[in-house]
Amino acid sequence: QKEVEQDPGPLSVPEGAIVSLNCTYSNSAFQYFMWYRQYSRKGPELLMYTYSSGNKEDGRFTAQVDKSSKYISLFIRDSQPSDSATYLCAMKGNNNDMRFGAGTRLTVKP
Amino acid sequence: DGGITQSPKYLFRKEGQNVTLSCEQNLNHDAMYWYRQDPGQGLRLIYYSQIVNDFQKGDIAEGYSVSREKKESFPLTVTSAQKNPTAFYLCASSIGGGRLNEQFFGPGTRLTVL
Repeated sequence: QKEVEQDPGPLSVPEGAIVSLNCTYSNSAFQYFMWYRQYSRKGPELLMYTYSSGNKEDGRFTAQVDKSSKYISLFIRDSQPSDSATYLCAMKGNNNDMRFGAGTRLTVKP
Repeated sequence: DGGITQSPKYLFRKEGQNVTLSCEQNLNHDAMYWYRQDPGQGLRLIYYSQIVNDFQKGDIAEGYSVSREKKESFPLTVTSAQKNPTAFYLCASSIGGGRLNEQFFGPGTRLTVL
């Protein structure tokens, strides 16, 4: 079993839809949770990060962490064609050991 | 402009050859990392360096080598011992290696072995 599981998709939604992206993990030592966005043939860029359980909102993006279920989510409201990208979840504990999900490829159709 | 640069963007290698991928940052970051990205898999850590003249193996270091002679540079050599080197290689840097220090990624180098 991988430490971080993420459905690779692809996921296709119409413009304006609410998108839900998810990851599950097995290592209870993870405390820092991140979402990266990666456009085709580019490097990932940090979108959101949260520490421990809870929600964090930034514009159209909301990140949720449920440590009891070992489950994290990223919600995108009013999705736009420019949101089309691969979304990677990542997590780490107190050391330098970052683990990434496989990435979910999202397409938002106009 | 501050950031991370990687070169070349595309690289073709014949079997049996060593190749070196360049990574340079002008963010004054202490820590630098090399990842490999394959379709359907998450980023996997090859090597990382927390300070100049020091580096540690990641999860998949076999067939790779690095050096960290300068703070701003962290080149990766893919040797002929790496059995399946075709992949997208990403370099990243962060202020430090501990706790939550955001990793900034370069644009990547796509390596293809012919």
